[in-house]
Amino acid sequence: DGGITQSPKYLFRKEGQNVTLSCEQNLNHDAMYWYRQDPGQGLRLIYYSQIVNDFQKGDIAEGYSVSREKKESFPLTVTSAQKNPTAFYLCASSIDLRVPEQFFGPGTRLTVL
Amino acid sequence: EDQVTQSPEALRLQEGESSSLNCSYTVSGLRGLFWYRQDPGKGPEFLFTLYSAGEEKEKERLKATLTKKESFLHITAPKPEDSATYLCAVRGNTGNQFYFGTGTSLTVIP
Repeated sequence: DGGITQSPKYLFRKEGQNVTLSCEQNLNHDAMYWYRQDPGQGLRLIYYSQIVNDFQKGDIAEGYSVSREKKESFPLTVTSAQKNPTAFYLCASSIDLRVPEQFFGPGTRLTVL
Repeated sequence: EDQVTQSPEALRLQEGESSSLNCSYTVSGLRGLFWYRQDPGKGPEFLFTLYSAGEEKEKERLKATLTKKESFLHITAPKPEDSATYLCAVRGNTGNQFYFGTGTSLTVIP
């Protein structure tokens, strides 16, 4: 089955700790994205990548970092510099940036205690 | 700045009672308007892409339409399994980002 997987589904961390969220896709898509979803707000773009070893900041990149060492993988690190990290994090992919339809993973709910 | 506003925030329908959800947008050079369905605790599921005014797309009980200022998602004779949050997003010509609305939470009562 082709798709996007995110792990873990739920993640709890103490304040001040960095945490890395996993995102893997086997759709052979070039572009990958990370969004954050908070109650009462639309999805907001954190980072996106259109090709291996290249990524661009979205609207709310502060306190986050990413890497794209493999086409299939786009992990997101939530650093201690992120002031309000508790949220639902969604990873998505598309064939490339010119074909805009994005397909989403199941999400990771991060709670910082 | 590109913006998307969805209304109503929440909608309760009786099974079989047709209605429409609205997505108003402002964008510099529309390069696509997108509808997604999101179930609680899950990632959004892609439904439709619309590119130009007058365009329509259909899927089962859902029909999406587009004008120069807004899009409608028409739901005909809904069933309880249509209950979900419906998200609208746009992409303009100023970059590669999507801008999402806050969604309409639809509940269909048997």
